[in-house]
Amino acid sequence: DAEITQSPRHKITETGRQVTLACHQTWNHNNMFWYRQDLGHGLRLIHYSYGVHDTNKGEVSDGYSVSRSNTEDLPLTLESAASSQTSVYFCASSESNRGNTEAFFGQGTRLTVV
Amino acid sequence: GNSVTQMEGPVTLSEEAFLTINCTYTATGYPSLFWYVQYPGEGLQLLLKATKADDKGSNKGFEATYRKETTSFHLEKGSVQVSDSAVYFCALRPNNNDMRFGAGTRLTVKP
Repeated sequence: DAEITQSPRHKITETGRQVTLACHQTWNHNNMFWYRQDLGHGLRLIHYSYGVHDTNKGEVSDGYSVSRSNTEDLPLTLESAASSQTSVYFCASSESNRGNTEAFFGQGTRLTVV
Repeated sequence: GNSVTQMEGPVTLSEEAFLTINCTYTATGYPSLFWYVQYPGEGLQLLLKATKADDKGSNKGFEATYRKETTSFHLEKGSVQVSDSAVYFCALRPNNNDMRFGAGTRLTVKP
């Protein structure tokens, strides 16, 4: 079965370190997204990609970057981790950017910055 | 801009009670509307969706109707079970655009 997997599931890192969260999907979807989930804010979009070599900023992109070198992967990099980036991160993918297309989510990565 | 407002939780109900979780939206154009559910320790799963005005999405006893006149997509279930305890997210997605979520509503159903 096609799926979307995130790794690691849990990560503790120190302030100032660079961290990369992996996201891999086998749906062959063009669209991929990164969200962060925080109490009281729901899911907020960090970055998204509509295809290989395409990346776009979401509503909370400061301090994060992504790259899309193939269809399957969209790694999320925190360039210099800050305590405010402690959160649960979700990767998602969808077949297209048509409005009626649902998104499929990974299991999430819980990141703690100490 | 595009945004979703959900009723704040948490919501606590007894088993077999009626559930309503309110959701209203602001959007340019005519977005599709979704309800997602998140069980503890898991990612989000699609519960139901509606793609145009007056459409009703339904799944697992849950229903929601796309009301353009009131810009709403309220989630309902006639008789909740303990296994329905989860966080519920309302979301919208306009054409050629990303998906935006509400803040989520935590539901706890007690036996």
